[in-house]
Amino acid sequence: NAGVTQTPKFRVLKTGQSMTLLCAQDMNHEYMYWYRQDPGMGLRLIHYSVGEGTTAKGEVPDGYNVSRLKKQNFLLGLESAAPSQTSVYFCASSPGTGYTFGSGTRLTVV
Amino acid sequence: AQSVTQPDIHITVSEGASLELRCNYSYGATPYLFWYVQSPGQGLQLLLKYFSGDTLVQGIKGFEAEFKRSQSSFNLRKPSVHWSDAAEYFCAVGGTTSGTYKYIFGTGTRLKVLA
Repeated sequence: NAGVTQTPKFRVLKTGQSMTLLCAQDMNHEYMYWYRQDPGMGLRLIHYSVGEGTTAKGEVPDGYNVSRLKKQNFLLGLESAAPSQTSVYFCASSPGTGYTFGSGTRLTVV
Repeated sequence: AQSVTQPDIHITVSEGASLELRCNYSYGATPYLFWYVQSPGQGLQLLLKYFSGDTLVQGIKGFEAEFKRSQSSFNLRKPSVHWSDAAEYFCAVGGTTSGTYKYIFGTGTRLKVLA
């Protein structure tokens, strides 16, 4: 009964380093999303996918890339991390109505 | 433009008192509406959702919300608050635009419960 699993849960990066956040869902959902949560700003959509092999930009896509090579996985990449990318990142999946969220990844860029 | 407004950043209520959290939205078509709750350090949990039909929606943990189209509102209510309800609450709106099911979230209302 895993639902949506995000790894890692915490990470500290130095400016300019790269990393990949992994989101895995076991509910056979078509739709997957990456959001970032910052104090006082709610959740903002970074990228999303409407099915295996598809990706699209959300509200704040700059500095991020994504891939959905397998239906159950949605990867978020930071090629050259910046302090402005310090945030909590949430992945969500959906069958089309309502999201199931992961528990989040807290990323700090120093 | 699509948007969600939660006018109250913080709300404090006494345990046992009633609660109403406000949510106003702007959306071009019939919206899907949601309330989520987030405890500190946790992900977001769905409390309730509205797609169509009865405008009064019942959710988990004793919460309910009423969709008022004329006021573009979807306020969350609970008759008697428990200390465990202290958390942050997010309203979200969206729909089936181009089949993407993207949702926009409000900035959240943080609820504090006094013993």
